[in-house]
Amino acid sequence: DAGVIQSPRHEVTEMGQEVTLRCKPISGHNSLFWYRQTMMRGLELLIYFNNNVPIDDSGMPEDRFSAKMPNASFSTLKIQPSEPRDSAVYFCASSAGQSLPKTQYFGPGTRLLVL
Amino acid sequence: SQQGEEDPQALSIQEGENATMNCSYKTSINNLQWYRQNSGRGLVHLILIRSNEREKHSGRLRVTLDTSKKSSSLLITASRAADTASYFCATARTTQTLNAGGTSYGKLTFGQGTILTVHP
Repeated sequence: DAGVIQSPRHEVTEMGQEVTLRCKPISGHNSLFWYRQTMMRGLELLIYFNNNVPIDDSGMPEDRFSAKMPNASFSTLKIQPSEPRDSAVYFCASSAGQSLPKTQYFGPGTRLLVL
Repeated sequence: SQQGEEDPQALSIQEGENATMNCSYKTSINNLQWYRQNSGRGLVHLILIRSNEREKHSGRLRVTLDTSKKSSSLLITASRAADTASYFCATARTTQTLNAGGTSYGKLTFGQGTILTVHP
């Protein structure tokens, strides 16, 4: 299995630009999670989906952030407009099952730098 | 705020020594998981211990859980330079129950991590 796939691996953009991060979960997994990791705040859960439906988006920092999961094999996290404080590593993770948090499998992350 | 808090924040040891990392949390949990993160990489699951378990082993890893003290420890025995990484505990709890079928959902909350350095 290829594992969780994220693209791009690195993104450098200027403040105000739109940024789209992409994730392909492990085939057969029906839960998908977006995390953000920074030195100051550690690893934060932004949003998670189950069976393509957003279950909890309470971690999404503000309206500039949006996430979609149009099908079981693809999800996007969009930041519009981006700001320097959005600079972080964004991870996507997936897991099988829906009740009781199970083992999560993380992608390699997208390192975002907003100038 | 993060549910789990690791202690120490950083640990430096020699190869062959044992490394012990601790995790404390605040609320009741369904299970507790430990993850490892190598520099510049994603997190990798190491071990899961359920709330009704007290100890679990996996290779050189030993995890304990004390729900009365709301704490867990991860012991790595006979450490190797390749064990150098950040280690995170993650507490898992059901957060909400939706629909008439009573399906419940849960999520992981990660601590800040312990940075382990093993010197050859």
